Amino acid sequence: DAGVIQSPRHEVTEMGQEVTLRCKPISGHNSLFWYRQTMMRGLELLIYFNNNVPIDDSGMPEDRFSAKMPNASFSTLKIQPSEPRDSAVYFCASSLGDGGYNEQFFGPGTRLTVL
Amino acid sequence: SQQGEEDPQALSIQEGENATMNCSYKTSINNLQWYRQNSGRGLVHLILIRSNEREKHSGRLRVTLDTSKKSSSLLITASRAADTASYFCATRGSARQLTFGSGTQLTVLP
Repeated sequence: DAGVIQSPRHEVTEMGQEVTLRCKPISGHNSLFWYRQTMMRGLELLIYFNNNVPIDDSGMPEDRFSAKMPNASFSTLKIQPSEPRDSAVYFCASSLGDGGYNEQFFGPGTRLTVL
Repeated sequence: SQQGEEDPQALSIQEGENATMNCSYKTSINNLQWYRQNSGRGLVHLILIRSNEREKHSGRLRVTLDTSKKSSSLLITASRAADTASYFCATRGSARQLTFGSGTQLTVLP
């Protein structure tokens, strides 16, 4: 298995532009997580899907952020419009079973820079 | 407030020495997990210990859990330069998710 796949690996954009991050979880996993990591705030959970359904999106910073999981093998995190404070590394992770009950497998991350 | 706070924030040791990192948390948990993150990479799961377990081993790793003190420790024995990384504990409480601590930066000097 190739593990969790994220694209793009790096994204540089200008303030106000729309950014879309993509994730392919490990086949067979039914939980998917989007995290954001910064030096100041550490690793934060943004949203968690179970069986393609959003279970907890309380970590989504504001309405500029949205996430979808149209099927078991694909998820997107969209920021519109982007702002410099959104600069961070965004990780997608997947796991079997209920969120947090088993180990999570992380993707390599997308490093986002908003100028 | 955030669960899973690691201590120390940074640790520097010589190759061959043992490294011990601690994690404290505030509320009851279902399990506690340790992850490693190499610079510029994603997190990698190391070990999971459930609330009814007290100790677990995996290769050179030993994890203990004391639910009465709400604390856990990760011991890496006979450390290697390749163990240089950030180590995070994460707890699963009543919420169906993991909450990560701020991590311990371990540097193993050759």
